[in-house]
Amino acid sequence: GAGVSQSPRYKVAKRGQDVALRCDPISGHVSLFWYQQALGQGPEFLTYFQNEAQLDKSGLPSDRFFAERPEGSVSTLKIQRTQQEDSAVYLCASSPGTSGSQGVYEQYFGPGTRLTVT
Amino acid sequence: GNSVTQMEGPVTLSEEAFLTINCTYTATGYPSLFWYVQYPGEGLQLLLKATKADDKGSNKGFEATYRKETTSFHLEKGSVQVSDSAVYFCALSDTQTGANNLFFGTGTRLTVIP
Repeated sequence: GAGVSQSPRYKVAKRGQDVALRCDPISGHVSLFWYQQALGQGPEFLTYFQNEAQLDKSGLPSDRFFAERPEGSVSTLKIQRTQQEDSAVYLCASSPGTSGSQGVYEQYFGPGTRLTVT
Repeated sequence: GNSVTQMEGPVTLSEEAFLTINCTYTATGYPSLFWYVQYPGEGLQLLLKATKADDKGSNKGFEATYRKETTSFHLEKGSVQVSDSAVYFCALSDTQTGANNLFFGTGTRLTVIP
């Protein structure tokens, strides 16, 4: 079946521009995560949705970052007034359930969007 | 807080050599532990996981044992192949504190030469 898809795969933005990154999770997956991966580093958590509810946005680095998942499926990560330090690969992951005391669900990752801010 | 410390790379091995990639963690609660792999040009994939102490995760010849006493989850493979060349990430999820997200190490690049 189809995995997690992300678009665009590559995005070049001039400093100060706004960008929107899209994630299409696996159909029916309840949980959706966004991560930021700087060059040579591991992914770092940005935000988490359970269906359409954004339950955790503690990882968003500034108020220039905004994410939404209005219908509990597709999600968009928006970065306003991009800065050079925003250059990274942005990963989306989805999971069929909510991990907790009943078990741990695997997260399925998309290929990422590589954002370069010039 | 939650963090993962992973052996720095890169690691270069000859085919059929033994592999160990060290991983230690700190966690607020009682985490689940994972190894993810990223093959060239592909997205992150779950390699194996363990959810409680002394559990051994295994897949594709790779193994890792959840050691609570040493807060470690080292990845091992007895005989690596060229096709194992990839970047390996150790990660934890501290679900008992209510967090679902993963905390990753910095990754270890493995290159296996014929």
